[in-house]
Amino acid sequence: QVQLQESGPGLVKPSETLSLTCTVSGDSISGYYWSWIRQPPRKGLEWIGNIYSSGGSNYKSSLKSRVTISVDTSRNQFSLKLSSVTAADTAVYYCARQTYRSSSFVVDFWGKGTLVTVSS
Amino acid sequence: DIQMTQSPSSLSASVGDRVTITCRASQSISNYLNWYQQKPGKAPNLLIYAVFSLQSGVPSRFSGSGSGTDFTLSISSLQPEDFATYYCQQSYSSPYTFGQGTKLEI
Repeated sequence: QVQLQESGPGLVKPSETLSLTCTVSGDSISGYYWSWIRQPPRKGLEWIGNIYSSGGSNYKSSLKSRVTISVDTSRNQFSLKLSSVTAADTAVYYCARQTYRSSSFVVDFWGKGTLVTVSS
Repeated sequence: DIQMTQSPSSLSASVGDRVTITCRASQSISNYLNWYQQKPGKAPNLLIYAVFSLQSGVPSRFSGSGSGTDFTLSISSLQPEDFATYYCQQSYSSPYTFGQGTKLEI
């Protein structure tokens, strides 16, 4: 069973960079897409971007100038960096695996999520 | 970006009821439509993919239908554990947008 665990600071100051890492266990990170999805308090889900295990990434256009997703296959980890954060970036951040089921690109495994608050 | 609109935003129902949730895409997404269930304080779980295919372990009371721009999730006989928030998601093109969610309440 694949398990994902987010780690990183729960509090980030405005204008600074949010950095999170996701550690994957139970399977190799190779051969899959790995995603970050966030959920502001009491709101819906927002897909931020993903990366393939070999390094090709894809981001939501409105966040593209501030987001970097990277992968470290030797550690079975992938990471999110979001720069110049504001209060609007306060959310629960989920790391997740995306894969194809009947040609549909689904999120089939999720981390438990970590709340990141942007505040001075 | 493709916009996904769910209706209703919230729905009150009782155990044993049949309920239907609708999801509309701002453009045709063929059959690239998935549904997720989220319970409070938990990560979402994949319920249905490619419109109507049930994820392993999902009870058969859940079903999906639709094509193009209009899709539905139905629950044939609500059980206590089904009270949750449901999200549709399009996987036709990046960014893989979600609907705003439908909260199913007792």
